[in-house]
Order: sequence, then C-alpha cells, then structure tokens
Amino acid sequence: EVQLVESGGGLVQPGGSLRLSCVASGFTFSTSWMRWVRQAPGKGLEWVANIKEDGTDKFYVDSVKGRFTISRDNAKDSLYLQMHSLRAEDTAVYYCVGGAFYAYWGQGTLVTVSS
Amino acid sequence: DIVMTQSPLSLPVALGQPASISCRSSQSVVHSDGNIYINWYHQRPGQSPRRLIYKVSNRDSGVPDRFSGSGSGSDFTLNISRVEAEDVGVYYCLQHTHWPQTFGQGTKLDIK
Repeated sequence: EVQLVESGGGLVQPGGSLRLSCVASGFTFSTSWMRWVRQAPGKGLEWVANIKEDGTDKFYVDSVKGRFTISRDNAKDSLYLQMHSLRAEDTAVYYCVGGAFYAYWGQGTLVTVSS
Repeated sequence: DIVMTQSPLSLPVALGQPASISCRSSQSVVHSDGNIYINWYHQRPGQSPRRLIYKVSNRDSGVPDRFSGSGSGSDFTLNISRVEAEDVGVYYCLQHTHWPQTFGQGTKLDIK
C-alpha cells in the first residue's frame, strides 16, 4: 500500500520559517519526481514545487521562488520543503505528491501563518 | 501559464443520474511526444485528492467504471454515468503537459 505521510506544519508568525517533511512507502521513491501542492482554506489546488528523481532539477511557482526550497533524501524515502519569509497567503494545507502522473497524495499538513 | 477552466462550478445531480464536467485549456495541451497529460481528481470533504483518470481517459485501479474521461486538444470531459452518494465532493482537472502544471478551479458535485 502506498503511503505519503507529511509532518511539520503548524502556526508560525509572518516572516517565520518552517520545514515540512514527507515520508514515502509502497512505491519506488528514488525513481519518482516528487511535488508539493497546496490548498488554501476553502480554495482550490495550487502546485508549489517539483524535484527530479535525483534532486538535480527543481522548479517552483513564482510566488515562492527565493523563499521555499524543495529537497529530498532518497536513502530515507523522504521529501522536504524548507519555507522562509512566510506570508499570510502561504496559509494552506500542503500535500506531498508522488508517483507517475501525480498519482499518490498524502493526507496533508496544515501551515498557518498568522500573528 | 495555461489556464484550465472548468464548468460548471456547481453541479447538483440526482442519485442515479448522469453527470458531466468540462475542462477547457487556454491552449493545446498536446505534448511533443504526442500524449495529452490531463488528470482528473476527486476530493471528498476533509480528504486529500484521489486521482481518478490520467492521460485523458485511463481509469485508475479501483475507480468504478461509471467514471470515464474523454477529450482532445484543449477540450476535456469527465463523465459519471450514474451518480452515487459517495461521488459528492469537488472534482479537479490537472494539466501537466506544459510547465507549470495547472489545475482547474474545481467543480463541486452534490446530491439534488
């Protein structure tokens, strides 16, 4: 059974930092592009960042460039999202997504940016 | 960026009746390899999205055959042949043919 388990969300003040983690199981993590997708409260889905299988290529939505960093550790089947300079508009549930053609989604972790 | 426009945004359907959701892209989403990378997802309240369809018309394992996807070029459709109570929620299309990948705004299906 495929599982993606996110952690690291929480309440943070504007300008603060947070690091999200995602542990994968049930599929070959090291051969899968991985992504972070977010969903603001009551809103739709928004792609945030992608990382290639070996971590050499990374892509970001414009609104998080320079503030967020996606990374992975294939030895630990883990994906990360380091978030700095957080803004109120970053408040969302963050999903870890993997597998071919965006197949597998985690349960999400809520990030709330508020003073 | 490619804009994915879904319609309708709200879809009340009686149990046992068919339902259809449209997803139109602002430009062709045919990849240079000849494939069209369009997915459909279903998100129940309080849950994460579940993929139903990939590459326009390929149904995922475990997805009931009442769900089907079709389309070409820039016009795509998700059909449900007979709506059941468990089908309520929000449906999203996703294009990942072109960078950056983009989602439709979602269609909320509920039971009439």
